Amino acid sequence: EVQLVESGGGLVQPGGSLRLSCAASGFTFSRYSMNWVRQAPGKGLEWVSYISGGSSGSIYYADSVKGRFTISRDNARNSLYLQMNSPRAEDTAVYYCAREGVGGRDFDLWGRGTLVTVSS
Amino acid sequence: QLVLTQSPSASASLGASVKLTCTLSSGHSSYAIAWHQQQPEKGPRYLMKLNSDGSHRKGDGIPDRFSGSSSGAERYLTISSLQSEDEADYYCQTWGTGIQVFGGGTKLTVL
Repeated sequence: EVQLVESGGGLVQPGGSLRLSCAASGFTFSRYSMNWVRQAPGKGLEWVSYISGGSSGSIYYADSVKGRFTISRDNARNSLYLQMNSPRAEDTAVYYCAREGVGGRDFDLWGRGTLVTVSS
Repeated sequence: QLVLTQSPSASASLGASVKLTCTLSSGHSSYAIAWHQQQPEKGPRYLMKLNSDGSHRKGDGIPDRFSGSSSGAERYLTISSLQSEDEADYYCQTWGTGIQVFGGGTKLTVL
């Protein structure tokens, strides 16, 4: 089955750290560019970060997380990661991983999300 | 600046049709977008990619009741024969170099 499954969410203190994971299955993970998208409670979708597939190694971040979050991937493990350092209360959200379609930038596959709560 | 604008809410009756709109910011009228559906308490679901010429490619398993069209800077999602499970939030998405952008979403109520 083609799917993405996020994990690693939970309660983290402001200034702490947390690592989210996204396990991919049912497709050739290494070929696809991947993204993290988040949704604060009761709010809309917000793009967080991008990492390219293949060998180009391109990485981008939203200004709101630049310098604090790090995206990475392990193609051998079919996994995507988001390292969250120095989280703030406004980072509280459900975090989704999303796949970009081959030949396009549209998100053609989404995970179910993992909830991150930043609070003391 | 690349911005997508959506009306916050829409409503239509069971069995009727509804047309949702996503408007691209000035200077970006040639951009393609994607439509996504988010049912209550669920993750988003990909509906389709919609090009500026109105051609579109739907995701796997998306019913024929869902279709897309374009006019200038406006991108439309039409849902016909509305069913109760179509009550959801609908988001449009577009992209540029190093950036992805979402519209604010439209909450569709099926009466």
